[in-house]
Amino acid sequence: AQTVTQSQPEMSVQEAETVTLSCTYDTSESDYYLFWYKQPPSRQMILVIRQEAYKQQNATENRFSVNFQKAAKSFSLKISDSQLGDAAMYFCACYQTGANNLFFGTGTRLTVIP
Amino acid sequence: GAVVSQHPSWVICKSGTSVKIECRSLDFQATTMFWYRQFPKQSLMLMATSNEGSKATYEQGVEKDKFLINHASLTLSTLTVTSAHPEDSSFYICSASGGGEQFFGPGTRLTVL
Repeated sequence: AQTVTQSQPEMSVQEAETVTLSCTYDTSESDYYLFWYKQPPSRQMILVIRQEAYKQQNATENRFSVNFQKAAKSFSLKISDSQLGDAAMYFCACYQTGANNLFFGTGTRLTVIP
Repeated sequence: GAVVSQHPSWVICKSGTSVKIECRSLDFQATTMFWYRQFPKQSLMLMATSNEGSKATYEQGVEKDKFLINHASLTLSTLTVTSAHPEDSSFYICSASGGGEQFFGPGTRLTVL
């Protein structure tokens, strides 16, 4: 069975500061992808960053980076220089290639304080 | 990135009627589409995986006779909520798989009176 766990229902960060969102996952497959999605009030899901499990190097996208610890099955998201527009729900997700399914964590609501 | 559309964006219907939601990949072909349900302030719950030309794979606890999925072409999957009831009111989101990435539609808000 696949599970994705986000232990932080809510987080807040001061504008321009750095915040880290936690995610752990469990999968029986060796081939999988990990994602962080952002869902603003419009509810449109927006891809923030993606990590292939076979890659050791942590993915980065501008101010967003991940800390991928495969052995620990941990996949945290770091947002640097936080901006007001970063405020949203953030979901961690795991796509299992063999099972061809994508499961989400429970989400973390990020508030950015001006 | 690729674009996925959903129609309608919002639908209100009477209890007992059926509602069809369309999910289209506009600029790519998607052999697989996923249907999710999201209750207020909750996460996306995978309902089923829709594969072009074959039967959908439903997650445990999802009634396949109530949530009919058809994936007749590489760019279109439909979700029909049959005999809808107020408890089916929710936000339904589809995603299309392409190149190891998921592209999400904007969602459909279903309200059953």
